Amino acid sequence: DAKTTQPNSMESNEEEPVHLPCNHSTISGTDYIHWYRQLPSQGPEYVIHGLTSNVNNRMASLAIAEDRKSSTLILHRATLRDAAVYYCILSVLTQGGSEKLVFGKGMKLTVNP
Amino acid sequence: GAGVSQSPSNKVTEKGKDVELRCDPISGHTALYWYRQSLGQGLEFLIYFQGNSAPDKSGLPSDRFSAERTGGSVSTLTIQRTQQEDSAVYLCASSLGLTAYQPQHFGDGTRLSIL
Repeated sequence: DAKTTQPNSMESNEEEPVHLPCNHSTISGTDYIHWYRQLPSQGPEYVIHGLTSNVNNRMASLAIAEDRKSSTLILHRATLRDAAVYYCILSVLTQGGSEKLVFGKGMKLTVNP
Repeated sequence: GAGVSQSPSNKVTEKGKDVELRCDPISGHTALYWYRQSLGQGLEFLIYFQGNSAPDKSGLPSDRFSAERTGGSVSTLTIQRTQQEDSAVYLCASSLGLTAYQPQHFGDGTRLSIL
């Protein structure tokens, strides 16, 4: 399964932008890049996903490098609620044609007031 | 609207007992997934359902683990003759499943502790 590499942790300040990096040098042409986050004692929460083009939604933006070997999740204004473990994931197609998410250890984001 | 619901939220049992974990997916979601998360680890895929069929069981760690889904809705994950290494948070997710790459919506999991 294709793997991703993230820093173990990052710190940011409240109301400032945060750029969360992810390397995926072995990505294949059909792999989507997904970001999920997990707050303590909760299940993961979908954040955003993309293939080649940059993506924006109400939660965040995803910037994908031209060679697709890396991507950056951008939180435009960090809040205390954004403190979580962030997972950068390359999904793998299951035998049934849907996708399973192959989670790594993720990156812990701390947001300072 | 209602999200993915899992029960029980916590389960403590003795080694060797059987346990059943339940997942109620979001209404209308045809795809359902089970994952588990051991302490300090990332999530590990267990099994995927499309409707009532399980085309991918590749993540089930042993034949003590089984899962079923009825009526294209509720799913149960059964662990027989539990072992201490089965202690983990078991997470269920569902998605629309109509096409690939639909976001998965997770429940808050069942925390299983084997004494």
